Amino acid sequence: DAGVTQSPTHLIKTRGQHVTLRCSPISGHKSVSWYQQVLGQGPQFIFQYYEKEERGRGNFPDRFSARQFPNYSSELNVNALLLGDSALYLCASSLRRQGNTGELFFGEGSRLTVL
Amino acid sequence: AQKVTQAQTEISVVEKEDVTLDCVYETRDTTYYLFWYKQPPSGELVFLIRRNSFDEQNEISGRYSWNFQKSTNSFNFTITASQVVDSAVYFCALSEVYSGTYKYIFGTGTRLKVLA
Repeated sequence: DAGVTQSPTHLIKTRGQHVTLRCSPISGHKSVSWYQQVLGQGPQFIFQYYEKEERGRGNFPDRFSARQFPNYSSELNVNALLLGDSALYLCASSLRRQGNTGELFFGEGSRLTVL
Repeated sequence: AQKVTQAQTEISVVEKEDVTLDCVYETRDTTYYLFWYKQPPSGELVFLIRRNSFDEQNEISGRYSWNFQKSTNSFNFTITASQVVDSAVYFCALSEVYSGTYKYIFGTGTRLKVLA
């Protein structure tokens, strides 16, 4: 069975540009979460979606947005990129509605570099 | 406020040595979950264990064991007879059942280097 897949794996952008990151959850999983991991730090929660609705949002500016599609895949969008947005963006899926009580299955991430 | 502290930034051991990774957490809730994840160089976080706040039994899984002590808010992870393949960054994480925010709080991670 396929795990959580993310695309692209690596990308380079310049300040002010926009980026879209994509995630496909494990088949049957309806919950998708996004985390930002800056080099040398632990992952920081950005969003959680369940059944296409936003169920939680971390402390990130409005430049960050996301959505979940009917097939439960998800996109993370970041506008007006800043140098500080350079990070590994991790997507995680879970079976249960309350993703915080169950195991999260992570993808390998999309590594974004902003120049 | 919720917080997870992994004071050990990096640990180096020689193969076959035992090593313990420390995790201390803070939470206001009485119901919560604790997790350990392994992050190899590929970047993917690999689930190792979940423990809820009402289950203080220690757990052993092969060479891995976990010691949960609510009295000291600690959830430590021990690898016995370490191997080179254990080299990775290990994260401890906390989630609160009733927080409503549906998120994990991760520590800053401990990089383990196992030398042959």
